[in-house]
Amino acid sequence: GNSVTQMEGPVTLSEEAFLTINCTYTATGYPSLFWYVQYPGEGLQLLLKATKADDKGSNKGFEATYRKETTSFHLEKGSVQVSDSAVYFCALEDGNKLVFGAGTILRVKS
Amino acid sequence: NAGVTQTPKFQVLKTGQSMTLQCAQDMNHEYMSWYRQDPGMGLRLIHYSVGAGITDQGEVPNGYNVSRSTTEDFPLRLLSAAPSQTSVYFCASRPRQGREQYFGPGTRLTVT
Repeated sequence: GNSVTQMEGPVTLSEEAFLTINCTYTATGYPSLFWYVQYPGEGLQLLLKATKADDKGSNKGFEATYRKETTSFHLEKGSVQVSDSAVYFCALEDGNKLVFGAGTILRVKS
Repeated sequence: NAGVTQTPKFQVLKTGQSMTLQCAQDMNHEYMSWYRQDPGMGLRLIHYSVGAGITDQGEVPNGYNVSRSTTEDFPLRLLSAAPSQTSVYFCASRPRQGREQYFGPGTRLTVT
């Protein structure tokens, strides 16, 4: 079946550092791909999405490009802030539902 | 617009007790889902519904029941709680034509 694999965390960075969180997927066809973010004590919010190969999703300085050749959707940000500390989930659309990766905790120190 | 609401926020149950987790949305979304979140495992789908009167099982349905009598509400029932059901439960909804799922704030359940 379809699945998502994310890099394990936690990832700890200093403020203004460059962020990459790796995500690869296994799927039949070319599903839509998503990054969701969960801030402490809250539910998940959609961060960005890409619906077809070579699409780049972007929001709040975060970017991810749908790469079908490497079946990847890595999340990047050029300069992280303390307020970016959260859990990040990569997910793919599988029919009527989402398949999630295990999540990556990001901690940003000032 | 309240979005997706869930009650209660926290609950402690004893093994064998039953309870219902409530979920409601005011966006007229056709699709609704229940997920559980466990450390290191991401979110796993329990049950979902594509419209009133229609439900289907997800990845981890055992021990849970759902029904969808209205578009707005999608309650999750635990018939006989077990410690393995200790988790954080999220309800989500999306419109039929949309791709973004909207999540509620979650219910943290502990079964002792």
